[in-house]
Amino acid sequence: GNSVTQMEGPVTLSEEAFLTINCTYTATGYPSLFWYVQYPGEGLQLLLKATKADDKGSNKGFEATYRKETTSFHLEKGSVQVSDSAVYFCALSENQAGTALIFGKGTTLSVSS
Amino acid sequence: KAGVTQTPRYLIKTRGQQVTLSCSPISGHRSVSWYQQTPGQGLQFLFEYFSETQRNKGNFPGRFSGRQFSNSRSEMNVSTLELGDSALYLCASSLGVGGGAETQYFGPGTRLLVL
Repeated sequence: GNSVTQMEGPVTLSEEAFLTINCTYTATGYPSLFWYVQYPGEGLQLLLKATKADDKGSNKGFEATYRKETTSFHLEKGSVQVSDSAVYFCALSENQAGTALIFGKGTTLSVSS
Repeated sequence: KAGVTQTPRYLIKTRGQQVTLSCSPISGHRSVSWYQQTPGQGLQFLFEYFSETQRNKGNFPGRFSGRQFSNSRSEMNVSTLELGDSALYLCASSLGVGGGAETQYFGPGTRLLVL
């Protein structure tokens, strides 16, 4: 079946450090890929998405590129801030509406000043 | 625009009981999805409703059921509760009309504790 694997956390970084959170997927078709984020005390919200191979999703300085050849969708940010501390979830959907999401286990990011 | 609302926010039940959770989507959204979040299993998809019909279903036992009303509000029901059903239940809404991967908007969740 379809699945998403992301690196286990927690990830601890200093402010302005470079961030990479790895995500790989297994899917039978051509899924859409997402990164969702859960800030402390807040609900889950979409960070970025990509719907086809080689698409790059970006938002708030975060980027991820849909790599079909390596079945990956790694999240990157060049310079993290304390306010980026949160739990990050990689997810996929195989339907056109982007629903029925399959999530990875989540990666906790902690950024210190 | 009001966000996705879920009621109640917290629930305590005992094994064997049943429970009903409610979700009101963002106005104009016709798709409502339900997810279960636990420390061990993470976030798992339960089911999705669109225009009062179940459109997608995850791999959960038949004790978990749902429905959607004509105003797009949705309820999920869990019968014969087990200790393992203790979780945060999240509802998400989207337009649901397809044509590309839409953004799903999540509610704050209902935290269910089964004793």
